[in-house]
Amino acid sequence: DQQVKQNSPSLSVQEGRISILNCDYTNSMFDYFLWYKKYPAEGPTFLISISSIKDKNEDGRFTVFLNKSAKHLSLHIVPSQPGDSAVYFCAASPMDDKIIFGKGTRLHILP
Amino acid sequence: DAMVIQNPRYQVTQFGKPVTLSCSQTLNHNVMYWYQQKSSQAPKLLFHYYDKDFNNEADTPDNFQSRRPNTSFCFLDIRSPGLGDAAMYLCATSRLRQGSNQPQHFGDGTRLSIL
Repeated sequence: DQQVKQNSPSLSVQEGRISILNCDYTNSMFDYFLWYKKYPAEGPTFLISISSIKDKNEDGRFTVFLNKSAKHLSLHIVPSQPGDSAVYFCAASPMDDKIIFGKGTRLHILP
Repeated sequence: DAMVIQNPRYQVTQFGKPVTLSCSQTLNHNVMYWYQQKSSQAPKLLFHYYDKDFNNEADTPDNFQSRRPNTSFCFLDIRSPGLGDAAMYLCATSRLRQGSNQPQHFGDGTRLSIL
C-alpha cells in the first residue's frame, strides 16, 4: 500500500505560469518531507524539503507547503521555466527510518 | 565536484548470469543506499550501509546482496538475475543515518536489462 501518493502522473503548464505539484501521504509518523527532480537519464536531484514543524518553506522559485491535518503537501514553482520540465518525486520519512518515495509526476512546461 | 558515480550506466546480462553494479562517492558520506526503480514506479529501497553496518529491507529478495569494502565504494550483486530484475538501480548517499532529516544524493543510475 502506497504511503506517499502522487495522483497526477503528468501535468502541463504554460511557461511563466505557476506549476503546482501535489502529494498526499497516509503515515502520520512522517516528519520530514522532500521533493526531488529528475531529468531523463539522470538520477534524482534534491530540490527542497520541509520539516513537520513548519507549514511552508521557500527557496527561490520553489515553495513547499505542508498541511498536516490533511496529510497533504504541494510544490509551487513560479514562474515556470522550460528547464523545469522533469519528473518530480515527493518523498517522506518518519524519524529514524527510511525515505518513502511517490511514483512521480511528469511536468511539461509549454512554450 | 563531489559526487556519486555509478558504473556502468547500462548493463545487459543473461538470465541467471551473476552481475555486479558499482557505486563510488567522493562526498565522504557515512551512508550508502541501493534502490530499485521500475518504469513509472517509486524508487524502492533494497538495503543500505551505515558505515560497515549492513541493513537489509525485509522484502529484498535473497538474490540481491551488497558489499561495501570501504567508505567510497559500494557494490550491488545480483546472483541469478531473473526477467523481473530488469530495472534502473540507483545508488544514493547521505552524511547521517536515515531519518536524520537530511536529503540523499543520488547517482545517475545503472539500467539493467536481462536477456
